[in-house]
Amino acid sequence: DAGVIQSPRHEVTEMGQEVTLRCKPISGHNSLFWYRQTMMRGLELLIYFNNNVPIDDSGMPEDRFSAKMPNASFSTLKIQPSEPRDSAVYFCASSLARRGGQHFGDGTRLSIL
Amino acid sequence: AQTVTQSQPEMSVQEAETVTLSCTYDTSESNYYLFWYKQPPSRQMILVIRQEAYKQQNATENRFSVNFQKAAKSFSLKISDSQLGDTAMYFCAFMKHGNSGGSNYKLTFGKGTLLTVNP
Repeated sequence: DAGVIQSPRHEVTEMGQEVTLRCKPISGHNSLFWYRQTMMRGLELLIYFNNNVPIDDSGMPEDRFSAKMPNASFSTLKIQPSEPRDSAVYFCASSLARRGGQHFGDGTRLSIL
Repeated sequence: AQTVTQSQPEMSVQEAETVTLSCTYDTSESNYYLFWYKQPPSRQMILVIRQEAYKQQNATENRFSVNFQKAAKSFSLKISDSQLGDTAMYFCAFMKHGNSGGSNYKLTFGKGTLLTVNP
């Protein structure tokens, strides 16, 4: 079975540019999570969806960040405009709600110059 | 709010030996899940083992087992017969048991323990 698929694997872009990260959850999973990982702050939950509906976005750092889940098989995390402090590894994870145990994608390493 | 504490930032073990990683948590919930995740240098986050709080029996997955002490709010991970491939950051995580509304599926992570297995 395919796991959680994230793209791109790496992204390098200049400050001020728009960045879009993509995620395809495991088929049949109904919860999807976006995380950010840095050395300083560790693993932070940005937002999560249940049945395509955003449930908790309290971890989204500021208005420059937005996330959508138009259907059960696709989600995006967008940063506009990007800043150097957004450099991090961004993970997407999915789970079958009640069973817990989130399955993570391989992450996107984002570098903002 | 839940908190998860991993008091050992780094540990090392010789290949083939056994090592135990500590995790404690604080919650007022009575029903919840606990997890251990492994993050090797490749940066993947891999689910190692899962424990449901209402189950008294400790979970086991091959060489990985847990010691779940609910009253003490302790959830340690034991790795037997350590292998070089076990070198990774290990994260303990907590999740409330979901209610019928399905809105409580967030994981709370500890800060991790970096385990190095030496040849």
